[in-house]
Amino acid sequence: DAMVIQNPRYQVTQFGKPVTLSCSQTLNHNVMYWYQQKSSQAPKLLFHYYDKDFNNEADTPDNFQSRRPNTSFCFLDIRSPGLGDAAMYLCATSSGTSGSYEQYFGPGTRLTVT
Amino acid sequence: RKEVEQDPGPFNVPEGATVAFNCTYSNSASQSFFWYRQDCRKEPKLLMSVYSSGNEDGRFTAQLNRASQYISLLIRDSKLSDSATYLCVVRRGKLIFGQGTELSVKP
Repeated sequence: DAMVIQNPRYQVTQFGKPVTLSCSQTLNHNVMYWYQQKSSQAPKLLFHYYDKDFNNEADTPDNFQSRRPNTSFCFLDIRSPGLGDAAMYLCATSSGTSGSYEQYFGPGTRLTVT
Repeated sequence: RKEVEQDPGPFNVPEGATVAFNCTYSNSASQSFFWYRQDCRKEPKLLMSVYSSGNEDGRFTAQLNRASQYISLLIRDSKLSDSATYLCVVRRGKLIFGQGTELSVKP
């Protein structure tokens, strides 16, 4: 089945230790998104790629970076995680074509910072 | 003020009850409207899109009032499996999520 896959599902990192979360998709979608969702809060868009074009949200801290080496993969790098970065990180994709705006979410990576 | 606001929850209802969720959005340039469902510690999944003419999918009915900038979701004959958080979502270029309303359906 076509899907959005996130690895790992659970990640524990130490304060200040860089961490990378990965997302892959078999949907061949043009657009890939990264969201941060803290407990009992709405998902918050960090950035997205439309093909190779990177679009950062204005309020996304510089501590968060992303890479998209090819259509299928997208990575979220947190350069120096703080305790406040503990959250669920959701990857999503959409086809990006007019009239088709549904986003397909991966299962998420739950990040703990110790 | 948040751009998308929903009823604070949680809603606790018995099986078979009818439950209504309300949502308002502040930006009249919003283009499309959706309800997503999110189970505990899982990812959001699209429940249904919302159209001005109103639309129904089985026990679920969604309504949009653009003049009032108001969106609703009605669940009839609620089931235990309907227990989840319901997220009101608008698209204004990107998707903007409401905080969600938690529903708990009890036997």
